[in-house]
Amino acid sequence: NAGVMQNPRHLVRRRGQEARLRCSPMKGHSHVYWYRQLPEEGLKFMVYLQKENIIDESGMPKERFSAEFPKEGPSILRIQQVVRGDSAAYFCASSPRGGRNNEQFFGPGTRLTVL
Amino acid sequence: KNEVEQSPQNLTAQEGEFITINCSYSVGISALHWLQQHPGGGIVSLFMLSSGKKKHGRLIATINIQEKHSSLHITASHPRDSAVYICAVYNTDKLIFGTGTRLQVFP
Repeated sequence: NAGVMQNPRHLVRRRGQEARLRCSPMKGHSHVYWYRQLPEEGLKFMVYLQKENIIDESGMPKERFSAEFPKEGPSILRIQQVVRGDSAAYFCASSPRGGRNNEQFFGPGTRLTVL
Repeated sequence: KNEVEQSPQNLTAQEGEFITINCSYSVGISALHWLQQHPGGGIVSLFMLSSGKKKHGRLIATINIQEKHSSLHITASHPRDSAVYICAVYNTDKLIFGTGTRLQVFP
């Protein structure tokens, strides 16, 4: 049973380009969480999705960032018109059920560098 | 002030030493995660607990809900335990993370 998969592992973009980060949850998991880790800072919650639904996006920047988790395929975190401040490690996690107290399993992360 | 505070921020130890990392939180929680992150690497969940104590190999995690405090202990530490250890609490459906404790264990 493969763990949570993220790709790409490393992504380099120039300012103004778009970044697409993919997350495939563990088999049987229908709940996905995205987190951002800025350099020298702790992890911060961005968004929580269930298949085809955004449950909580309170941690997402209001502009340029969007997330989806379609019925088929991976969850996508999309950053439009990237800026240097978007350089960070982006982690996704999945769980079989939502709500409190459900252990989350983390992917290896995507390290985004904006030149 | 962060909602989840860890101490110490940095910790060095000699192989074989007993290690304790502390986590205090100021919000109401339903459960707490201890996570491990190796340099440049992914994040591994070590424990999730909501009361009492859990043990896995050389790792022990305890939580005191009344005092809003948790500890992670590593017995007989080894250089391969060198990593950042992160405490995260469940507040509603979200995890709130501490800033981590960087542990280095020297042979």
